[in-house]
Amino acid sequence: ELKVEQNPLFLSMQEGKNYTIYCNYSTTSDRLYWYRQDPGKSLESLFVLLSNGAVKQEGRLMASLDTKARLSTLHITAAVHDLSATYFCAVDPEHSGTSYGKLTFGQGTILTVHP
Amino acid sequence: GAVVSQHPSWVICKSGTSVKIECRSLDFQATTMFWYRQFPKQSLMLMATSNEGSKATYEQGVEKDKFLINHASLTLSTLTVTSAHPEDSSFYICSASRTRTGPNIQYFGAGTRLSVL
Repeated sequence: ELKVEQNPLFLSMQEGKNYTIYCNYSTTSDRLYWYRQDPGKSLESLFVLLSNGAVKQEGRLMASLDTKARLSTLHITAAVHDLSATYFCAVDPEHSGTSYGKLTFGQGTILTVHP
Repeated sequence: GAVVSQHPSWVICKSGTSVKIECRSLDFQATTMFWYRQFPKQSLMLMATSNEGSKATYEQGVEKDKFLINHASLTLSTLTVTSAHPEDSSFYICSASRTRTGPNIQYFGAGTRLSVL
């Protein structure tokens, strides 16, 4: 059974600071997704990482994927209040019969950015 | 492009009644749709996967007779919570995928908050 673990689960940080959220997973995969969820809302796609060494950046967020370590990171640079949300990583296991296409989500990281 | 509409956004119903939730892909054909359930401050749990024209595949522990899924066309899937009870209260989210091959990029609906009294 695929397990996806995020760390930390809760993160309170000051504006202007940097921090990294980690996403570890337990099975072989080269497809990892990051999503953002605001309270009471659905998921917004942030990044799609499809190969080892993939790095993508959008504004103050940068995501990377190391398939050998089974690890993805979401790095926050110079945080601002607008980044406050819950962030989920999700893993799509390697194509294996009927398991293809089923995302397994991490627990989520609740990020609060304060002045 | 790639907009998924979910309706209703919030529903309150009495215990014992059934509730239907619709999920539509507005500008693309969705070969596969997924239904998730999310409890407060928790992650998304996949309930079932549905492909157009075939029966849904339910995850372990999800009662297929309780959560009826119909995927009648390439743009519409419905989830019916039958004989709803307070423990079924949750946030239900659908997503749609364009293709069965390549990256599994799922587009999510806005979610439906179900409250069963």
